[in-house]
Amino acid sequence: SQQGEEDPQALSIQEGENATMNCSYKTSINNLQWYRQNSGRGLVHLILIRSNEREKHSGRLRVTLDTSKKSSSLLITASRAADTASYFCATVQVDYKLSFGAGTTVTVRA
Amino acid sequence: GAVVSQHPSWVICKSGTSVKIECRSLDFQATTMFWYRQFPKQSLMLMATSNEGSKATYEQGVEKDKFLINHASLTLSTLTVTSAHPEDSSFYICSAQRAEGNTIYFGEGSWLTVV
Repeated sequence: SQQGEEDPQALSIQEGENATMNCSYKTSINNLQWYRQNSGRGLVHLILIRSNEREKHSGRLRVTLDTSKKSSSLLITASRAADTASYFCATVQVDYKLSFGAGTTVTVRA
Repeated sequence: GAVVSQHPSWVICKSGTSVKIECRSLDFQATTMFWYRQFPKQSLMLMATSNEGSKATYEQGVEKDKFLINHASLTLSTLTVTSAHPEDSSFYICSAQRAEGNTIYFGEGSWLTVV
């Protein structure tokens, strides 16, 4: 079953601006992962943050995790047209099963 | 990097026929493979978890006789949609969990259209 909820559902920004999206989940997790999906394609793993971590960076990506609020955020800085995609958070509990959120569709306008 | 290949990328079939989708880990052994279904503009829904050499574990609401999963080797899992109907039309994605390190890699997905 789907555990995560993301907001906003859709986001439209100008190239160069930052994009922030949030993910909330319901149960305890082992780790939380963010993925990108270009239209009609497979998923690309972006970043993994463990339950004992609070913040993680990878290039222009910054992920935070607040386990007390059961929420995470993904920030994309200095966005580019190529960042246009859907972004999903996925929580991992036991058995390494990923439970995906509803996703945020990001459109970066040139 | 590790690659997971899905085949076919897209398929059109007639109602009542069966369709097989393959998921291969090309350069690593996968202890576990996962099958997801995604409707347009929606999230991925886990259908089943398959472990090499054993029966797949299906999520609640997924018909095991409808969606046959076979994980015959550490590099190949197949999903067969039996007696397909138009409502089975969807995007099916597999992922493979690497034996060392437990990292998960996704395939590119397979579009199924049942007419």
